[in-house]
Amino acid sequence: DGGITQSPKYLFRKEGQNVTLSCEQNLNHDAMYWYRQDPGQGLRLIYYSQIVNDFQKGDIAEGYSVSREKKESFPLTVTSAQKNPTAFYLCACSGTYDTGELFFGEGSRLTVL
Amino acid sequence: AQSVAQPEDQVNVAEGNPLTVKCTYSVSGNPYLFWYVQYPNRGLQFLLKYITGDNLVKGSYGFEAEFNKSQTSFHLKKPSALVSDSALYFCAVRDFTSGTYKYIFGTGTRLKVLA
Repeated sequence: DGGITQSPKYLFRKEGQNVTLSCEQNLNHDAMYWYRQDPGQGLRLIYYSQIVNDFQKGDIAEGYSVSREKKESFPLTVTSAQKNPTAFYLCACSGTYDTGELFFGEGSRLTVL
Repeated sequence: AQSVAQPEDQVNVAEGNPLTVKCTYSVSGNPYLFWYVQYPNRGLQFLLKYITGDNLVKGSYGFEAEFNKSQTSFHLKKPSALVSDSALYFCAVRDFTSGTYKYIFGTGTRLKVLA
């Protein structure tokens, strides 16, 4: 089945550690996105990529990094510079040049201990 | 800048009654508007979208939305609510002002359907 997969579902990290969240899609979509969700704040855009080897900062990129070496993969690294990393992280993809909706993964919940 | 607003943090409705979840938008040009639903600890699921054409859009699970250009609104509706409709609902708009496609979300409205 086509879809978008995030892993791990739950992740615990100590302060000062970097962690990488995986996002893989087999929908052949060009565009991929990372959002952060906090209670009462909706979804905020971290990074997005329209094409392989290119990506742009979203509204809250500080303390995060991404890569887009393959069309199907868009991993997000939460660095130790991110001051408040505990959140629910959502990856999504869409067809760039159509009127399509976003397809979301099931999310990764990161907790900093 | 493009934006969407969901003025209600929570909407309560009795099972079997009609429901409305409100969304207003601010865009330049023609809006591409979307509704999504989220169940606890899950990703968002697409419900419906408005691109052009008929102002009444029908979507999944019996939901529909009415696009109103003069009021810049895109309210989500359902004629008869089910307890299983209880979830978090997000309105979104697609933004192309930066030369790349972004999706901007509202803050979400929690729908509670009471048995």
